[in-house]
Amino acid sequence: AQSVTQLGSHVSVSEGALVLLRCNYSSSVPPYLFWYVQYPNQGLQLLLKYTSAATLVKGINGFEAEFKKSETSFHLTKPSAHMSDAAEYFCAVTGSIIQGAQKLVFGQGTRLTINP
Amino acid sequence: NAGVTQTPKFQVLKTGQSMTLQCAQDMNHEYMSWYRQDPGMGLRLIHYSVGAGITDQGEVPNGYNVSRSTTEDFPLRLLSAAPSQTSVYFCASSYLQNTEAFFGQGTRLTVV
Repeated sequence: AQSVTQLGSHVSVSEGALVLLRCNYSSSVPPYLFWYVQYPNQGLQLLLKYTSAATLVKGINGFEAEFKKSETSFHLTKPSAHMSDAAEYFCAVTGSIIQGAQKLVFGQGTRLTINP
Repeated sequence: NAGVTQTPKFQVLKTGQSMTLQCAQDMNHEYMSWYRQDPGMGLRLIHYSVGAGITDQGEVPNGYNVSRSTTEDFPLRLLSAAPSQTSVYFCASSYLQNTEAFFGQGTRLTVV
C-alpha cells in the first residue's frame, strides 16, 4: 500500500524567502508522485509530477521538486516566495494499480502563508 | 473548455435526506473519481471508475453510491445523509493512470 506524510500542517515564510514543503512517501512499487495546489475555494491544480524520468522536476509558478529514492522524499521548493503562493499544497502518490485505475493517495496538506 | 463541472457548489441537508452530487467532464477522460476533503486528513478516495459501466470502491465508500452510464458523467449519491458526511467533495478525471488529474471546484456539503 502507498502512503504520504507531509511534515508540517502549516508553514509560514517571508516574501522573497525560500519555500520548502516536505513530503515523504511509502510505496511497495515504483511510485508516481505529484504536488497539487489548492487556492481558497477552488479545486486542486497540478503543480508538477514525477513519473520515473528526471529526478528533479520543474513545475509551474517557479516550483520544483526532487525525487530522492534513498530518502523516500519528494520535497517541494521555490527559491523566492511570492504573496500569490499562499495556498494549501498536497503531495500525492499513486495507489495500487488495479484495473488500471488512477487512485491518488494524498498527504494531509500543508497550508503555506506568506508574510509581507 | 469547461473541464470538470460539479453541481451544486453548496448544499445543506438534514440527517436522513438523500441527494446526488453531479460531476461532468468534457475532455473524454476514461478515469473519474470522487474524493472527500476533511481538515487535517487531505483528500480520501470514495469511489472511482475506469470507464462507462465500471466502478469500484475507494478508501471510504460507506454511505455513497455511484454509477457511470456515460463517459462524461459520474454522479455521487448519498442515500441517507449523516452528519459524518459533512465535507467538501471533489470530482476528478484523467486520461490514464498516473497522468494529471483534473479537479472540479468542489461541493461543500453540510448535514445537520
